[in-house]
Amino acid sequence: AQKITQTQPGMFVQEKEAVTLDCTYDTSDPSYGLFWYKQPSSGEMIFLIYQGSYDQQNATEGRYSLNFQKARKSANLVISASQLGDSAMYFCAMRADTTTGNQFYFGTGTSLTVIP
Amino acid sequence: DTEVTQTPKHLVMGMTNKKSLKCEQHMGHRAMYWYKQKAKKPPELMFVYSYEKLSINESVPSRFSPECPNSSLLNLHLHALQPEDSALYLCASSQDFASGKQYFGPGTRLTVT
Repeated sequence: AQKITQTQPGMFVQEKEAVTLDCTYDTSDPSYGLFWYKQPSSGEMIFLIYQGSYDQQNATEGRYSLNFQKARKSANLVISASQLGDSAMYFCAMRADTTTGNQFYFGTGTSLTVIP
Repeated sequence: DTEVTQTPKHLVMGMTNKKSLKCEQHMGHRAMYWYKQKAKKPPELMFVYSYEKLSINESVPSRFSPECPNSSLLNLHLHALQPEDSALYLCASSQDFASGKQYFGPGTRLTVT
């Protein structure tokens, strides 16, 4: 069963505009963590932001914020004031704390292109 | 030092060769990971080491053999690979297994001929 779903294979955004990348997840475990990673064409995976399932507030890291809606099981990434350097593949990921141990799942990714 | 290093950056090997990929971190992390990533696909978890012990082996073929000589080093030994094993191999580390904040290395682009 798909644990992480990213429904937007590709997105375009004008430079300096904000963009939201969608992510929904599926788990019955009460303890889990949600992550967003950026992967430029060079290949390196760059950690952007983390949200724990018990965190009361939405996570923010500079221009990145995570819109965490627990009841809807969504963890959308919002990038404000897009820059050309934001063009990359973005992956949503989840760490599920199951009774048999931690498991990690990645979504299929969203390719973001920032247009000058 | 918040860096994970991987060597080599690129590797071309024949199906009868034996080679090794190396990963190193000096952040004091106790969990280290190997991922395989095909083009335009998400990373697939292969192995997880926690406190230098193999914690997860995601049913990876035996032609891939991981080794964790110490808490800073992680190797992936390759033998008798197939062309479909050509991919980007990413190493990552995290503070411990429960922490999902993984720091990734730049990867090794492997081509099997």
